[in-house]
Amino acid sequence: AQSVAQPEDQVNVAEGNPLTVKCTYSVSGNPYLFWYVQYPNRGLQFLLKYITGDNLVKGSYGFEAEFNKSQTSFHLKKPSALVSDSALYFCATGDYGQNFVFGPGTRLSVLP
Amino acid sequence: NAGVTQTPKFQVLKTGQSMTLQCAQDMNHEYMSWYRQDPGMGLRLIHYSVGAGITDQGEVPNGYNVSRSTTEDFPLRLLSAAPSQTSVYFCASSRIAGASGDTQYFGPGTRLTVL
Repeated sequence: AQSVAQPEDQVNVAEGNPLTVKCTYSVSGNPYLFWYVQYPNRGLQFLLKYITGDNLVKGSYGFEAEFNKSQTSFHLKKPSALVSDSALYFCATGDYGQNFVFGPGTRLSVLP
Repeated sequence: NAGVTQTPKFQVLKTGQSMTLQCAQDMNHEYMSWYRQDPGMGLRLIHYSVGAGITDQGEVPNGYNVSRSTTEDFPLRLLSAAPSQTSVYFCASSRIAGASGDTQYFGPGTRLTVL
């Protein structure tokens, strides 16, 4: 079965510093990987996805993610964090077509 | 486009009551799905649909029914509410059914409490 893991429940970073939110995956076949963000009391917003091609994927709000096949990872990154980036981040993979399997989420806190 | 809309935003039920969570999308998407979100568990798939008249079970379907009579609407029914169904429910849709890698778009969610 497809699965994703987010090894950190919480990530704290100072404003202006680079941030990384980690995701590792276990899939059979070609991986389809996604990052979503959830702000308090809101739905999930799509950030970016990896389907094929370049290992560095650029997305919304200055976020990017690096696909690493040998390490089965898809870490979310941003060069300079903003306080407004504080939210819950989910990694997901497509399962048997397009049903998503989500990780448990990582709460990002950007400290001013 | 309103995107994916859900009603109600909040609901409190007593054990044994039934209710329907509404979901609609105006993007002519083929694929629609329901997830529940519980702390520390991410989102788990309840039911999904690849088109009008076609539905299937996801990871946690027990206690829930769905139907898809139109492309736009995908209601979720709780038959006899239980405290274990206290959760936040999200509806999502994507353009093409069966297209691996197609982005799913989520509604704002319904927060359900069962007493």
